[in-house]
Amino acid sequence: AQKITQTQPGMFVQEKEAVTLDCTYDTSDQSYGLFWYKQPSSGEMIFLIYQGSYDEQNATEGRYSLNFQKARKSANLVISASQLGDSAMYFCAMSLGNSGYSTLTFGKGTMLLVSP
Amino acid sequence: GAVVSQHPSWVICKSGTSVKIECRSLDFQATTMFWYRQFPKQSLMLMATSNEGSKATYEQGVEKDKFLINHASLTLSTLTVTSAHPEDSSFYICSAPSLAGKSSYNEQFFGPGTRLTVL
Repeated sequence: AQKITQTQPGMFVQEKEAVTLDCTYDTSDQSYGLFWYKQPSSGEMIFLIYQGSYDEQNATEGRYSLNFQKARKSANLVISASQLGDSAMYFCAMSLGNSGYSTLTFGKGTMLLVSP
Repeated sequence: GAVVSQHPSWVICKSGTSVKIECRSLDFQATTMFWYRQFPKQSLMLMATSNEGSKATYEQGVEKDKFLINHASLTLSTLTVTSAHPEDSSFYICSAPSLAGKSSYNEQFFGPGTRLTVL
């Protein structure tokens, strides 16, 4: 069975600074996908970034980048130039295979607070 | 991207009543949809996989007779919480995979969620 671990219940960062949210995963499968979602207080799940297990380059999407270290089984999210609107809950998730038809396993989440 | 809607966005009901939550894929067809439950300050937990034309697959510990799932068409899945009790109060979110996302894989698109409060 797969498992996602997010060890930081909460993180504080000042506006315009970069922040790293940690995520480690555990699976014996070779093919898997790693995701990061943002959940503001409204509850909606906002997709941020995806990394496939066979992708050699780290994924980037605007201010978001995923630091994928396969040997360490880590997939940390880096947010550059934090903005006040980045304050939200962030979830790391994994699916097996490279198809979205596989279910997502979520970590417990990290609450990020961005201060002025 | 692809859009998934949920209705209602929030509902308050009395203990013992049944509540139906709808999940619709608005601009794509979804043969599979997923239902998650999220308790306050906790993560999303998969409840069941809804399959069009066949029975839903429930995760361990989820009572299938209490949480009835019907995937009526390629764009609609419903979750009915039967004989709801206060402990069923939670945030229920559905998702559906689609190739309409930015990436080349089947990204899961989430509905906005339904907040259920059982008095």
